[in-house]
Amino acid sequence: EPEVTQTPSHQVTQMGQEVILRCVPISNHLYFYWYRQILGQKVEFLVSFYNNEISEKSEIFDDQFSVERPDGSNFTLKIRSTKLEDSAMYFCASSRTSGGRTGELFFGEGSRLTVL
Amino acid sequence: EDQVTQSPEALRLQEGESSSLNCSYTVSGLRGLFWYRQDPGKGPEFLFTLYSAGEEKEKERLKATLTKKESFLHITAPKPEDSATYLCAVQAQTGANNLFFGTGTRLTVIP
Repeated sequence: EPEVTQTPSHQVTQMGQEVILRCVPISNHLYFYWYRQILGQKVEFLVSFYNNEISEKSEIFDDQFSVERPDGSNFTLKIRSTKLEDSAMYFCASSRTSGGRTGELFFGEGSRLTVL
Repeated sequence: EDQVTQSPEALRLQEGESSSLNCSYTVSGLRGLFWYRQDPGKGPEFLFTLYSAGEEKEKERLKATLTKKESFLHITAPKPEDSATYLCAVQAQTGANNLFFGTGTRLTVIP
């Protein structure tokens, strides 16, 4: 069964360092997303991406964040200068369409980011 | 503002003891309501999508229903392997394609 894969599974970094989280979405999906979940809290939307551009972003997704689809398979989230409050589990997701009966989002296993 | 409220926060059931989880929502036009299962340290696993009031979906011991204000996830004769956090999320018709999640119900099924 096709799945969304994410790397690394866990990354520890120092405050102020740049971090890149990587994702390989399901191959025939067209919409890509990043969500995050701070420990014990709800899953929160960060950004959605379609046709090589951001289609929507939340207030959390400020200038420190960027996304890129550098090739036909990878989708990356970059945090330029990490802060302590960026510590969270980051989930990548993909969907075939933006809504309707094929709009279900499928999530990866997550990348746990710990900022010290 | 879109809101999703799930209750109870936590639920402990004996194996075989059926129950229901609630998801109340407020959204500016519902495109879809989604149920996910999340195991500790893992990503949400898709279970169901419901699109209109009156719709029902079933999968093994789980059945999801939808009204205009809430959704229920019914668990019939649960087993210990059903222990997980169950997340409800809504997708609005406003053009946004992202999901807005509730805080989840943490279900523990005791053998």
